[in-house]
Amino acid sequence: GENVEQHPSTLSVQEGDSAVIKCTYSDSASNYFPWYKQELGKRPQLIIDIRSNVGEKKDQRIAVTLNKTAKHFSLHITETQPEDSAVYFCAASMDGGATNKLIFGTGTLLAVQP
Amino acid sequence: NAGVTQTPKFRVLKTGQSMTLLCAQDMNHEYMYWYRQDPGMGLRLIHYSVGEGTTAKGEVPDGYNVSRLKKQNFLLGLESAAPSQTSVYFCASSFLDGGEQFFGPGTRLTVL
Repeated sequence: GENVEQHPSTLSVQEGDSAVIKCTYSDSASNYFPWYKQELGKRPQLIIDIRSNVGEKKDQRIAVTLNKTAKHFSLHITETQPEDSAVYFCAASMDGGATNKLIFGTGTLLAVQP
Repeated sequence: NAGVTQTPKFRVLKTGQSMTLLCAQDMNHEYMYWYRQDPGMGLRLIHYSVGEGTTAKGEVPDGYNVSRLKKQNFLLGLESAAPSQTSVYFCASSFLDGGEQFFGPGTRLTVL
């Protein structure tokens, strides 16, 4: 079955710096890769996603890159702000996306120091 | 438009007790999911449903049962709770063609 590994588990950056979180997946049939942000005590919320026919996608200060050959994808946050502090989860679709089932990584706790 | 709601928000059970968690969505989504979230382990899929009257097992289904009698509701049942089921439970839903899963606010369950 699908397995998603996420690194690092914790990341501390200074405000204004960039942050990068990396994930690898095992199932070559996976074709949908979302990133969720979860603030303390809140529900996960989608911040950006990418499909396998695209190599990079940007939305203001966040971007995701996908390397299907190497089976890894990354989240990039530029000009980090204190409100970016949260746990970030990557995920990959199972069953080639037929049922939209997702396998999640174990999360990265991002702390942005003012 | 409430989105995805969960009932209850918190619950404490004793070992062996049973309970049902209710998830409701008003977005006319076909797909619904139940996850559990434990420290350091991310979100793990318990059961899911691809439409009214259907259910299927996820990654960690043992000790749980589900039902989807109405399209807008997805129930998660614990027949005989165990301390290992102490967790935060999230429900989510999505459209038929995949894409974003919308999460509920979560239920924090403690089994003593």
